Amino acid sequence: DTAVSQTPKYLVTQMGNDKSIKCEQNLGHDTMYWYKQDSKKFLKIMFSYNNKELIINETVPNRFSPKSPDKAHLNLHINSLELGDSAVYFCASSPDFGYQYFGPGTRLTVT
Amino acid sequence: EDQVTQSPEALRLQEGESSSLNCSYTVSGLRGLFWYRQDPGKGPEFLFTLYSAGEEKEKERLKATLTKKESFLHITAPKPEDSATYLCAVQATVAFGNEKLTFGTGTRLTIIP
Repeated sequence: DTAVSQTPKYLVTQMGNDKSIKCEQNLGHDTMYWYKQDSKKFLKIMFSYNNKELIINETVPNRFSPKSPDKAHLNLHINSLELGDSAVYFCASSPDFGYQYFGPGTRLTVT
Repeated sequence: EDQVTQSPEALRLQEGESSSLNCSYTVSGLRGLFWYRQDPGKGPEFLFTLYSAGEEKEKERLKATLTKKESFLHITAPKPEDSATYLCAVQATVAFGNEKLTFGTGTRLTIIP
């Protein structure tokens, strides 16, 4: 059973388009996260949700909007995609605190 | 602001050649220090959590240690399957629900058969 899953695995799109990435966890955790990993492999927090409530928003452009329909799902919608948005996006989840389980990642390429 | 610095950036070892990876950190109050392994094209995989200076954790050929300023990941007699990028991250003692991890840039370890 996959603990944290993401779809799609790969996403190739053109500048200006709008796209979404979906994440689901079956671990029963209350907190979920979105991280961005750039071309130099640096992993940086973008958002976190605790039980559907936004907790962390790390100065991410307004074009990025997370949505949590329930505590098992956290989706990421990106408007007006730019070249600089190309990266690997990871979803993660955790219990109250402690280590985080990461999903397999979504490689976004903007052309 | 929390900061994590890992060294070296890359390390090539012969199979069986032991070594250590370094993670230096500054954090307002340390709740936990985490080591992850990341294989190409995959998400980070949890290895260890360390909570206080002097603590040590072991798993197979890996041992993680913690001081007040840095952590070491010691790898003993490594095998080619230990090749991966090893990431260090810190979690500060902040309000519940704000448990972000601050990552270093990782050490890319290559074990040559």
